[in-house]
Amino acid sequence: QVQLVESGGGVVQPGRSLRLSCAASGFTFSSYAMHWVRQAPGKGLEWVALISYDGSDKYYADSVKGRFTISRDNSKNTLFLHMNSLRAEDTAVYYCARDRWASLYCGGGRCNVYFDYWGQGTLVTVSS
Amino acid sequence: QSVLTQPPSVSAAPGQKVTISCSGSISNIGNNYVSWYRQLPGTAPKLLIYDNNKRPSGIPDRFSGSKSGTSATLGITGLQTGDEADYYCGTWDSSLNAYVFGTGTKVTVL
Repeated sequence: QVQLVESGGGVVQPGRSLRLSCAASGFTFSSYAMHWVRQAPGKGLEWVALISYDGSDKYYADSVKGRFTISRDNSKNTLFLHMNSLRAEDTAVYYCARDRWASLYCGGGRCNVYFDYWGQGTLVTVSS
Repeated sequence: QSVLTQPPSVSAAPGQKVTISCSGSISNIGNNYVSWYRQLPGTAPKLLIYDNNKRPSGIPDRFSGSKSGTSATLGITGLQTGDEADYYCGTWDSSLNAYVFGTGTKVTVL
């Protein structure tokens, strides 16, 4: 069965860095695009980043662009989120999620992105 | 600030029906496929509807999705206490080149 297990969360001071990991199993990791989605305490879902199956294409939310980097190691079935210059507003539970497709799928000008499996999340708290 | 607007809450008695609207624009819902997610308290979100109106295996036909123009709707019939959760719509926004979620709707079973 598909499993996604996030790790690496914790308490970090503003301005510091943190790296999250997502270990995937139960499917051919290298065939699927992957995402990070976050949820601040008591708030709604916010998409963070997308990476294609081979890491060649990456997309970011404006709120994290230039500070966060999504990457993957297909040999280790692992997804990463490198977070730099962390701010208090980055405090959230971070989920990794599998995309149904190998990359951003836009057929006939219509894009189709959805998350068919999610991890349990890891909490990142940015505080001094 | 989300670009997709949902009502903050909806409620109904057990066995009744609720609908949740998701309003967007031509660059997101108008041109792209919509999906819906349910998040039970303290758990990760789960896919309910994809491709505007398709259900993954294991999701009962009490859940339905539709799309018209720049709006989408999730319907839940035969409401059960276990349906109390937060529900989110989502789609790709071709102008932002980013995925966007709705503001979320809390369903309460009276």
